[in-house]
Amino acid sequence: QKEVEQDPGPLSVPEGAIVSLNCTYSNSAFQYFMWYRQYSRKGPELLMYTYSSGNKEDGRFTAQVDKSSKYISLFIRDSQPSDSATYLCAIDNTDKLIFGTGTRLQVFP
Amino acid sequence: EAQVTQNPRYLITVTGKKLTVTCSQNMNHEYMSWYRQDPGLGLRQIYYSMNVEVTDKGDVPEGYKVSRKEKRNFPLILESPSPNQTSLYFCASSLIRDSYNEQFFGPGTRLTVL
Repeated sequence: QKEVEQDPGPLSVPEGAIVSLNCTYSNSAFQYFMWYRQYSRKGPELLMYTYSSGNKEDGRFTAQVDKSSKYISLFIRDSQPSDSATYLCAIDNTDKLIFGTGTRLQVFP
Repeated sequence: EAQVTQNPRYLITVTGKKLTVTCSQNMNHEYMSWYRQDPGLGLRQIYYSMNVEVTDKGDVPEGYKVSRKEKRNFPLILESPSPNQTSLYFCASSLIRDSYNEQFFGPGTRLTVL
């Protein structure tokens, strides 16, 4: 079983839609969960991080962690064409980050 | 500007011809790491370094070497490249802290081995 699993998509939605991106993980000891965004031909950049369970909101983005079901989510409200990118979940495993395979999102006008 | 730089950005080479991809960061970060990114496999760690002269293997170290002689530089060396090392490579750096590990990524190096 992979340590982190992520649906690769692609996901194509109209502008203004609510987007839900998800990952599952296997090790209940993980504490820090992150979402990175990667635009085409660029390196990933940190979008949000959360510690343990709960929600964290930043503008149109909400990160959610459910440790009981080992499930992490990223919600994007009022999605924009500029949100078109690949979104990677990541888990901090002390000396390294464990990444999901990434979900490609396209928001069309 | 705080950044991680990589060179070259694109490289086409032939099997067996030694190459080096350079990585440099100007943020005084202790931690540096190399990843390769392949379709369907995501980002996989090759090697990482916790500080100068301290390096360790990641998940896919075979066929690669690294060195960390200075804090800012972390070159990736392919002594005898093979076609299965054709990939997109990223260097990353971060501060070492007790809490989460925000890694800053370089722009990537696309390597093709013929």
